[in-house]
Amino acid sequence: EDQVTQSPEALRLQEGESSSLNCSYTVSGLRGLFWYRQDPGKGPEFLFTLYSAGEEKEKERLKATLTKKESFLHITAPKPEDSATYLCAAFSGGGSYIPTFGRGTSLIVHP
Amino acid sequence: ETGVTQSPTHLIKTRGQQVTLRCSSQSGHNTVSWYQQALGQGPQFIFQYYREEENGRGNFPPRFSGLQFPNYSSELNVNALELDDSALYLCASSLGGLPVETQYFGPGTRLLVL
Repeated sequence: EDQVTQSPEALRLQEGESSSLNCSYTVSGLRGLFWYRQDPGKGPEFLFTLYSAGEEKEKERLKATLTKKESFLHITAPKPEDSATYLCAAFSGGGSYIPTFGRGTSLIVHP
Repeated sequence: ETGVTQSPTHLIKTRGQQVTLRCSSQSGHNTVSWYQQALGQGPQFIFQYYREEENGRGNFPPRFSGLQFPNYSSELNVNALELDDSALYLCASSLGGLPVETQYFGPGTRLLVL
């Protein structure tokens, strides 16, 4: 059974304090891994898709990386507007292609 | 380009009732996936509709059903509502069926079952 585990569950940072969120996955034959941002009461907003180990993608203060077992979302010099829940999802190429989501990391950035 | 829209935004039902939720896909997208997100959890895949056919289903009972129309909009129907069906229901639109390479979510419908 495909599994995606995110850590930590919650993270509090001061503005400007860089950190990383972790997404560990167990899927047979990873086809792709997604990162989303979700604000309270809203649908997830697409951030990145990563396809192979070693791949990196950047958007503003966010950088996503992928290894064979996990993905990291690095947040550099965060601002209060980066506060949200960050979700990752993985899907395998060896079966139904259905994405499996983690429970998310709730990030709060204090000014 | 219009984004993904869902209706209604909120809904309250009682146990045993039936509910229909609606989703309009993003312009140019032919695929709609439905997800259930319980409080504090990640979204769980219910099913996907591609070219008006169900094209993949998660671990949900048959009382969860759907439709896709020729304009690619979609409905999610849930019969015999249970208390555990209370959740945020999300639809996401994309191109080309499974696997979903990139999908864009709507704002969701918050369903409360009493």
